Amino acid sequence: GAGVSQSPSNKVTEKGKDVELRCDPISGHTALYWYRQRLGQGLEFLIYFQGNSAPDKSGLPSDRFSAERTGESVSTLTIQRTQQEDSAVYLCASSLSGVGGQPQHFGDGTRLSIL
Amino acid sequence: AQSVTQLGSHVSVSEGALVLLRCNYSSSVPPYLFWYVQYPNQGLQLLLKYTSAATLVKGINGFEAEFKKSETSFHLTKPSAHMSDAAEYFCAVNNQGGKLIFGQGTELSVKP
Repeated sequence: GAGVSQSPSNKVTEKGKDVELRCDPISGHTALYWYRQRLGQGLEFLIYFQGNSAPDKSGLPSDRFSAERTGESVSTLTIQRTQQEDSAVYLCASSLSGVGGQPQHFGDGTRLSIL
Repeated sequence: AQSVTQLGSHVSVSEGALVLLRCNYSSSVPPYLFWYVQYPNQGLQLLLKYTSAATLVKGINGFEAEFKKSETSFHLTKPSAHMSDAAEYFCAVNNQGGKLIFGQGTELSVKP
C-alpha cells in the first residue's frame, strides 16, 4: 500500500514490560512524526525526525520513551517499563518534508493497553 | 507559543442540516492550519489545509473552511450533513514546520 503502515495494530502487555511500536512511512517522505492519543483527548506530539537532522524529542514524556529512525525509512518507538498511564493509541505520520504547510499523512495507529 | 481551541467537544446535527465546527488558534507568526477527520479505529485523514493562498479553502467530502485573521478563527463548515460525516474532527496549527499542535477534537453526530 501507499500509506503509512503501523504495526502491531493492537498490543496488550503487562505493566513493567517493554514494548516496541513500528512505523513504515510513505516512500520518499523525509519527515516522520509520532503522536499519542489518550482516550477522549487530542493528539500529543512525541518526537519528530527530519532527514539526517537531530530529532526533536521535546514531546517525549519521560526517559522511558525513545525512538529511532533508520535513514528515511522505518521508525521504532520504544517504551520501557510500561505504566498504565501509557495506555493510548500511538499514531505515526509522515510528510514529504518538514516544511511548514506540508500535510502530514497518518497511519491507523497502534492501540496499546497496559494491564 | 501556538495553541488551538475547538469550541464544543460534541456537536449534533440533523441529516441535511448545516455543519459548523469551530476552531480558534493562537500563533505569533502566520499559521498553517489544518482540519483532519478521524473515523473509529482509524488514523487521521486530511480534510483541508490553509497555507495563505486563499482565505476560503475547499476540502474533500464537501467541507470548506474560512481563515479569518481578525478573529483568529478557522471554522469548518458543510452545507448539508450526511450520516457518513459522523466522526471526530481535529483542527491543528503548524507554522514553521515540524509538529502539529492539535485541538481537543469535536465529535460530530448526525441524526437521521
